[in-house]
Amino acid sequence: AQSVTQPDIHITVSEGASLELRCNYSYGATPYLFWYVQSPGQGLQLLLKYFSGDTLVQGIKGFEAEFKRSQSSFNLRKPSVHWSDAAEYFCAVGPSSYKLIFGSGTRLLVRP
Amino acid sequence: DGGITQSPKYLFRKEGQNVTLSCEQNLNHDAMYWYRQDPGQGLRLIYYSQIVNDFQKGDIAEGYSVSREKKESFPLTVTSAQKNPTAFYLCASSRTDREGGAGELFFGEGSRLTVL
Repeated sequence: AQSVTQPDIHITVSEGASLELRCNYSYGATPYLFWYVQSPGQGLQLLLKYFSGDTLVQGIKGFEAEFKRSQSSFNLRKPSVHWSDAAEYFCAVGPSSYKLIFGSGTRLLVRP
Repeated sequence: DGGITQSPKYLFRKEGQNVTLSCEQNLNHDAMYWYRQDPGQGLRLIYYSQIVNDFQKGDIAEGYSVSREKKESFPLTVTSAQKNPTAFYLCASSRTDREGGAGELFFGEGSRLTVL
């Protein structure tokens, strides 16, 4: 069965520290891969996406993600977290925009 | 600015009443979607439409209905048949695969429905 797992429900980091949010998926082929961010009470905004090519993808707000086929992972990273990064982050995978599967999300808290 | 507008932002409903959530986009996207979000869960697809006058059920369509009479509009009706309608509802749009850029969803700010 196709699935997306974000194993960390909450993560707390100090401002200025590095960040890695995990995403693992189960899928028959290499799907499209996405990371979205959601501020409280708001819609989702695309951070970055992977379709093919270079497995290290750069996104907005200083985020990057690396696709690792052997590990079925697409982890999100940021070298230095800002207080404004506090939000919920969703990984999504699928063969097309009509069939996206979203993970359950990871809530990021940033300590001053 | 182009974007997606959802209304109302907050809505209260009594049990047994139908309610319609509005979604309008001016991005000229062919495809539109409705998702439901519950605390601690990811987004679940209710319905999607790839083109005017056509739509398909998603994973949790029971108790919901939609229409797509115009490209810009994709209203969602939460009917009395929906057993647990209290949730946050998100509308989204995207280009279709044939237009390129497949996969990126543009979201509205959501509508929070509470059943009293």
